[in-house]
Amino acid sequence: DTEVTQTPKHLVMGMTNKKSLKCEQHMGHRAMYWYKQKAKKPPELMFVYSYEKLSINESVPSRFSPECPNSSLLNLHLHALQPEDSALYLCASSLRAGTDTQYFGPGTRLTVL
Amino acid sequence: GENVEQHPSTLSVQEGDSAVIKCTYSDSASNYFPWYKQELGKGPQLIIDIRSNVGEKKDQRIAVTLNKTAKHFSLHITETQPEDSAVYFCAASITHRGSTLGRLYFGRGTQLTVWP
Repeated sequence: DTEVTQTPKHLVMGMTNKKSLKCEQHMGHRAMYWYKQKAKKPPELMFVYSYEKLSINESVPSRFSPECPNSSLLNLHLHALQPEDSALYLCASSLRAGTDTQYFGPGTRLTVL
Repeated sequence: GENVEQHPSTLSVQEGDSAVIKCTYSDSASNYFPWYKQELGKGPQLIIDIRSNVGEKKDQRIAVTLNKTAKHFSLHITETQPEDSAVYFCAASITHRGSTLGRLYFGRGTQLTVWP
């Protein structure tokens, strides 16, 4: 089983709202990733967690705040987003960071009004 | 950093024909090359991958070839079917045992359309 789940599937929020995206995997993977994907573009790496510690932050604005409460769960907290932040947000996981295949979830389609 | 070029950006084939998508990479240290298929409204799905100690890998109708000297790798789909229609992304990565790096460098994608 190589399933990564993400909730919600769709999210519409105003620029003053606070919301969170959730990602879960039960494959025993110790690396988890957040990507942002705009239409007709490849995924862009945002954050990498390795053994529940943040190891890569690709200079993402502070209005995006990641959290890894345990080895199976990854959250992305959103606050004061801009319309240009509207995109598909993808979560991925791999057995370990840097050496193993990444498996992607279905994504959360975010629209910022 | 690594730069991955992918061609063509769009590809249309008749059902039953073969499709080939090519990628080149710039960093000779890259040693892992996955291919992802992304259908509309879904996340990327790994379809095949290859590591630099292997020149070719096959899985039913899908094959990937790697030429380390020329720094290019290709995806081959035989006997295409309408359900193969999707965007395909190649990627390259430098993997190091014990490293915390997990960076995939993606190509820009190829929209494959298979006509019945």
